[in-house]
Amino acid sequence: TQLLEQSPQFLSIQEGENLTVYCNSSSVFSSLQWYRQEPGEGPVLLVTVVTGGEVKKLKRLTFQFGDARKDSSLHITAAQTGDTGLYLCAGPLTDSWGKLQFGAGTQVVVTP
Amino acid sequence: DTGVSQNPRHKITKRGQNVTFRCDPISEHNRLYWYRQTLGQGPEFLTYFQNEAQLEKSRLLSDRFSAERPKGSFSTLEIQRTEQGDSAMYLCASSLGSYLRQYFGPGTRLTVT
Repeated sequence: TQLLEQSPQFLSIQEGENLTVYCNSSSVFSSLQWYRQEPGEGPVLLVTVVTGGEVKKLKRLTFQFGDARKDSSLHITAAQTGDTGLYLCAGPLTDSWGKLQFGAGTQVVVTP
Repeated sequence: DTGVSQNPRHKITKRGQNVTFRCDPISEHNRLYWYRQTLGQGPEFLTYFQNEAQLEKSRLLSDRFSAERPKGSFSTLEIQRTEQGDSAMYLCASSLGSYLRQYFGPGTRLTVT
C-alpha cells in the first residue's frame, strides 16, 4: 500500500514567520501534488511536482520533490493569515489510472 | 461561476434512511470522481467515471453505496440504510483527461443521527 504520511499534524504560527510541512512515503511516486483546503470547501490544487529533486515556487510557497521521489516538502515564507488552511499532499496509485492517494494533511493556523 | 457544484451542501438524516447527493462537474469534463473525507483525514477515493462508464470502485464502497452518471454529465451518489459511520464530507471532483488535474466541489456534509 502506498501511504503518504504528513507532518506535523498541526502547526500554529504568527504572521511573518516561516514554516515547512512534510510529506513522506516508503514508496516511489511518479508525481506528487499539494492542495490547500479551507473549512467547508473542497481542496484546491496548488502544484504538481514530477521530477526528482524538482523545486517549484508559487509566490511565497516553495515546493520540493525529493531526489528519490518518495517525499516532498512545502515551505511558506513570511506566512500571512490567508495561508491558514489544511495542506494535503496526494500522489497517484500505481495500480490505477484514476486514483489519488491523499495524506491526512497538516492543519496550518496563521495568527495576526 | 462554472466550477464543480454539489447539492445539497448539508444533509442530516436518521440512521436507516436513504440519501442521495448530486454532483455537477465542470462542463465538458469527461472524468468525475467521488471521495469521502472524515474529520482529521484526507479525502479517500470512492469511485470514478469516464463519461458514463464507472471504471473503478474502492473497496470502501460497500453494497449500500451506488453511484451513477447517466449521459456522462451530472452524477449521483446514493447511500442506502445509512449508518452513523457514514457521517462524513462527500466530495466530488472532475477533470478533463488527466486525473492529475482534478477540480473539487465544495462537498456535501452528511450527518447521520
